Amino acid sequence: RKEVEQDPGPFNVPEGATVAFNCTYSNSASQSFFWYRQDCRKEPKLLMSVYSSGNEDGRFTAQLNRASQYISLLIRDSKLSDSATYLCVVEGGSYIPTFGRGTSLIVHP
Amino acid sequence: GAVVSQHPSWVICKSGTSVKIECRSLDFQATTMFWYRQFPKQSLMLMATSNEGSKATYEQGVEKDKFLINHASLTLSTLTVTSAHPEDSSFYICSASGEGATGRYEQYFGPGTRLTVT
Repeated sequence: RKEVEQDPGPFNVPEGATVAFNCTYSNSASQSFFWYRQDCRKEPKLLMSVYSSGNEDGRFTAQLNRASQYISLLIRDSKLSDSATYLCVVEGGSYIPTFGRGTSLIVHP
Repeated sequence: GAVVSQHPSWVICKSGTSVKIECRSLDFQATTMFWYRQFPKQSLMLMATSNEGSKATYEQGVEKDKFLINHASLTLSTLTVTSAHPEDSSFYICSASGEGATGRYEQYFGPGTRLTVT
């Protein structure tokens, strides 16, 4: 079983749609969780950290479920510019991050 | 946020030659730098972790004699791909991590280096 698993997609949604991504992780001792966004041929950029209480940043909401070992990212009112690959990242106590393979999102007019 | 630069951004080389990639943290003292490789449509794969002044720790399956990492200062790490072959063609990304201005542990990625070996 891979350490961090994501549905690769692609998720093809119209503008304005709400879309949700899930990510599961295998190491129950993982301590930090993040969502990164990666555009084609670019480096990943931090989208948001994921806290136990859940957190929201504008149209983006991230949640963590430690019991089931998954994190989620919800994007509301999708924009064309949201088209990218969304990477789930999990870190253990040593701060070494493990990346999921990413979920591709395509938002169309 | 902090800025991490990589040089070169794109390199084409002939099979058998060596290529050096630099990763610099411009306004940030990186106690740790990570080197990743990403093949098309795949996730970033951690190659090695390097702490300033000490030898890098390589992930399983990564040849340390082929991918030489030097982390001589808190702002510079280099990755040298020795005797490159076409299968080494990939997108190489570094990241720098350490305590940021907020006092929290932070990580920043370089823009990546696209290596093509012909």
